Amino acid sequence: EVQLVESGGGLVQPGGSLRLSCAISGFTFSSYSMNWVRQAPGKGLEWVSYISTSSGSIYYADSVKGRFAISRDNAKKSLYLQMSTLRAEDTAVYYCARGTYYDSSAYPYFDSWGQGTLVTVSS
Amino acid sequence: QSVLTQPPSASGTPGQRVAISCSGSSANIESNAVNWYQQLPGTAPKLLIYSNNQRPSGVPDRFSGSKSGTSASLAISGLQSEDEADYYCAAWDDSLNGYVFGTGTKVTVL
Repeated sequence: EVQLVESGGGLVQPGGSLRLSCAISGFTFSSYSMNWVRQAPGKGLEWVSYISTSSGSIYYADSVKGRFAISRDNAKKSLYLQMSTLRAEDTAVYYCARGTYYDSSAYPYFDSWGQGTLVTVSS
Repeated sequence: QSVLTQPPSASGTPGQRVAISCSGSSANIESNAVNWYQQLPGTAPKLLIYSNNQRPSGVPDRFSGSKSGTSASLAISGLQSEDEADYYCAAWDDSLNGYVFGTGTKVTVL
């Protein structure tokens, strides 16, 4: 069974840092690209970041560029999101999501999601 | 704000057909595949449609997707009470060099 389990969320002050983790099981982690997606309370989904299988390609949403860093450890089957200079508007549930490609498509769709971890930025 | 626009809400009675539109641009929907996600209340999103019109295993054939130009559409035929959820379209955006989600549509079963 495919499982993605996020951890590391919590309450942090504005300007602070936090590191999220996503533990993977049930599939060959090194064969899949991965993403972080967030959802502010009562709001819609917002894609945050993408990382390719070998970490060779990384992309960020403009809203987090320069403040967040995505990484992965294929040996540990884990995905990470290092968040710095946090703002109130970063308050959200953060989901990790597996990327899968269809046919010759250049970009993935997200076929498996974790349950999310809540990050609250507040003084 | 999102570059993919959806109606905030849609509704229907059990058995009816409901369609949700997703409007984008040449940088996203016209150039790349559209995917749809369903989010039931209090749960994580779930893949509903990928590559414009493909259904993952386990998704009922009541759900169908289509795309034309810079717009896409999700149709739910034979609406059921368990379909009450938020629905999001999504696609890669070549201009933003990132993935974009639609604004989301809340479907209510009357």
